[in-house]
Amino acid sequence: DTAVSQTPKYLVTQMGNDKSIKCEQNLGHDTMYWYKQDSKKFLKIMFSYNNKELIINETVPNRFSPKSPDKAHLNLHINSLELGDSAVYFCASGGQGGNIQYFGAGTRLSVL
Amino acid sequence: DAKTTQPTSMDCAEGRAANLPCNHSTISGNEYVYWYRQIHSQGPQYIIHGLKNNETNEMASLIITEDRKSSTLILPHATLRDTAVYYCIVRVALAYNNDMRFGAGTRLTVKP
Repeated sequence: DTAVSQTPKYLVTQMGNDKSIKCEQNLGHDTMYWYKQDSKKFLKIMFSYNNKELIINETVPNRFSPKSPDKAHLNLHINSLELGDSAVYFCASGGQGGNIQYFGAGTRLSVL
Repeated sequence: DAKTTQPTSMDCAEGRAANLPCNHSTISGNEYVYWYRQIHSQGPQYIIHGLKNNETNEMASLIITEDRKSSTLILPHATLRDTAVYYCIVRVALAYNNDMRFGAGTRLTVKP
């Protein structure tokens, strides 16, 4: 079983569209994260949720809205997609205060 | 911003030990040293972490200097599948509001 799973793996869409990326973890962790890896390969934290509560919210456009329906899920919804949103988005989960983080395989978003 | 300095790239012969250095001269007393790696097109993978004692697991060994200002990740018998970008991160453990701050990492190429 995949510990942290993201869907879809690839997402190609037009500018201005709204899209969602789903993330689920079966590790029983309390904390989940969204990271963005841009074309220069730098990984940057976007959001962190602990027990469904938003903990970290980096400087991210408010077009990005995370939603955590329960501890095992953290979805990322993006409104009005822009060219600069093209990147690989990684979901992660961490136990015991995020001591060790486990990452999903990533969602490669291409905005045309 | 990342609190660590790593060489941009390194090569290693297959079967030999790969020693990846990391400088973290501003590390605080309660910060751990974590190592992750990212194999091409995959999510980051946890390798090992430690506070001040040397650590070993099935993947690697971590050697931390006595003053804790630098560390070395050792892959004892590198294989071609170890080719990846290796990230050294300092972070307070057991803190869910403290995310992983990834730098540029070291691109390790294992050659036949």
